[in-house]
Amino acid sequence: SQKIEQNSEALNIQEGKTATLTCNYTNYSPAYLQWYRQDPGRGPVFLLLIRENEKEKRKERLKVTFDTTLKQSLFHITASQPADSATYLCALARKNSGYALNFGKGTSLLVTP
Amino acid sequence: EAQVTQNPRYLITVTGKKLTVTCSQNMNHEYMSWYRQDPGLGLRQIYYSMNVEVTDKGDVPEGYKVSRKEKRNFPLILESPSPNQTSLYFCASSPWQTGGWGPPQHFGDGTRLSIL
Repeated sequence: SQKIEQNSEALNIQEGKTATLTCNYTNYSPAYLQWYRQDPGRGPVFLLLIRENEKEKRKERLKVTFDTTLKQSLFHITASQPADSATYLCALARKNSGYALNFGKGTSLLVTP
Repeated sequence: EAQVTQNPRYLITVTGKKLTVTCSQNMNHEYMSWYRQDPGLGLRQIYYSMNVEVTDKGDVPEGYKVSRKEKRNFPLILESPSPNQTSLYFCASSPWQTGGWGPPQHFGDGTRLSIL
């Protein structure tokens, strides 16, 4: 069966360090992968999209890598700040599935001063 | 302001009493979708719509209906709600893009439904 796995344990890091979150998937042939941020009581907010033929994408302090051989995406936040504390979701779109997105369960990040 | 608006934000109701959760977007997006989010299960897609009068099932459509009569609106209908439909529901929209590259989805702030 298809699975998207994100680390279920919360990630606690100190302000200023780099946070690295992992998204692993099985039995998918993803056309692209997206990362979202979700704050308590709010809807997910889009952060970055990376396509199957791209290895790395950057946006300000965010960096995403996509390794279709390892079936893994890494999401990095450099120089992390307490305001980065949230749950981060990865989402995969299967090829030939229209716009059907499947989400991982998310990883909670806590950045402490 | 570009946004996806859901109503109501909170609702407590009883088993079997039909309810509708409305969703409206002001971005002229073709694509709209409904998700439910449950602890330990994450976000799961219920239904989606590629355009007016075009809807399709997601991963967990049982017990739900949708309609897309206008581009901006995509209501979620629970004809006979049951307690297992107690959940946090999100509506999302995105523009259509050639090649199906899947532009990012814009989410509403959610509707918390409790079915007693």
